[in-house]
Amino acid sequence: GQSLEQPSEVTAVEGAIVQINCTYQTSGFYGLSWYQQHDGGAPTFLSYNALDGLEETGRFSSFLSRSDSYGYLLLQELQMKDSASYFCAVKGAGNMLTFGGGTRLMVKP
Amino acid sequence: DAGVTQSPTHLIKTRGQQVTLRCSPKSGHDTVSWYQQALGQGPQFIFQYYEEEERQRGNFPDRFSGHQFPNYSSELNVNALLLGDSALYLCASSLGPTTRNSPLHFGNGTRLTVT
Repeated sequence: GQSLEQPSEVTAVEGAIVQINCTYQTSGFYGLSWYQQHDGGAPTFLSYNALDGLEETGRFSSFLSRSDSYGYLLLQELQMKDSASYFCAVKGAGNMLTFGGGTRLMVKP
Repeated sequence: DAGVTQSPTHLIKTRGQQVTLRCSPKSGHDTVSWYQQALGQGPQFIFQYYEEEERQRGNFPDRFSGHQFPNYSSELNVNALLLGDSALYLCASSLGPTTRNSPLHFGNGTRLTVT
């Protein structure tokens, strides 16, 4: 089976940098994905790491260390619209995703 | 370019009833996965359809079944509804189960309430 751990809530101020950590235990691993979900909305894809290291996409970056079964999502220059839930998800065989419980990010002015 | 569309958006059913949810994948996608998301939790994988066959299944009882049509659209059926089946049901499409870098594109979901 697979299990993922991430903090339940994070609060930060506008313009700041925030890091959301994710640790996982898995029987099959092809990569770690990150999804954003606003209240009442669909999860939307942010980033994917198949190999160790940092992937950068605009204000968002994601990091993976397979030896440590650990990854994080880094959000820079926080904006109010970044207030949402963020999910890490392990990609297993057949493109199946196992999601963590989600981290609710609150951005304050 | 239409994204993933799901219908209906909301549904209220009584315990013991049956429900069918529908999903049309993003244009160009051939694989459909269904997820159940309880309030305040992450999505849980139900099953995946590719080439009109169930390819993978999560830890859900046989009351949950599905179908994929030749045009790649899909249905999720739940029989003998329980109160615990109340959740947001998300459909996600992607390119082929072996295309590892194909991210999932989710629909806005169907909010099912069982009373």
